[in-house]
Amino acid sequence: AQSVAQPEDQVNVAEGNPLTVKCTYSVSGNPYLFWYVQYPNRGLQFLLKYITGDNLVKGSYGFEAEFNKSQTSFHLKKPSALVSDSALYFCAVRDNGRDDKIIFGKGTRLHILP
Amino acid sequence: EAQVTQNPRYLITVTGKKLTVTCSQNMNHEYMSWYRQDPGLGLRQIYYSMNVEVTDKGDVPEGYKVSRKEKRNFPLILESPSPNQTSLYFCASSLSGPYGYTFGSGTRLTVV
Repeated sequence: AQSVAQPEDQVNVAEGNPLTVKCTYSVSGNPYLFWYVQYPNRGLQFLLKYITGDNLVKGSYGFEAEFNKSQTSFHLKKPSALVSDSALYFCAVRDNGRDDKIIFGKGTRLHILP
Repeated sequence: EAQVTQNPRYLITVTGKKLTVTCSQNMNHEYMSWYRQDPGLGLRQIYYSMNVEVTDKGDVPEGYKVSRKEKRNFPLILESPSPNQTSLYFCASSLSGPYGYTFGSGTRLTVV
């Protein structure tokens, strides 16, 4: 079965430090991977996606994600965290059994401490 | 401004009283979808539509209906709401297929 996992419910990072939000996936075939962010009282916003090509994908707001095929991971990263990055982050993967559907992880809440 | 508009933002209703949550997009997107978000469960897809007059069930369709008579609109209908449908609902659209969604701001529904 296709699945995506975000192993941490919450991540705390001091402002200015690098941040990583973890995501692992399990799909048959080539993965299509996505990151979304949800700020308080808002809908989700698309951050970035990996479909093919360079393993390091750059997205909005200074975020990037590294695709690692051998570890089946797609971790979200940012070199220097801002307090305004505090939000709920969702990883998602295309269901290769049904390519009209994507599967969302349960989300990781990121707290950036001033 | 390109956007997905959901209404209402907040709704409290009683068990069994039919309701409709509207969703409209102004980007000429073909693909539209409804999700519900519950703590600890992430987002689960309710229904989706790949184009006008084409709809299909997602993971949790029970108790919901949708229609897609026009490209821009994709209303979610709860014929007889129950308390277990209390949730935060999101409509989303994309050009074709669920890649790079634009989400609405959400509808927080409480059924008492």
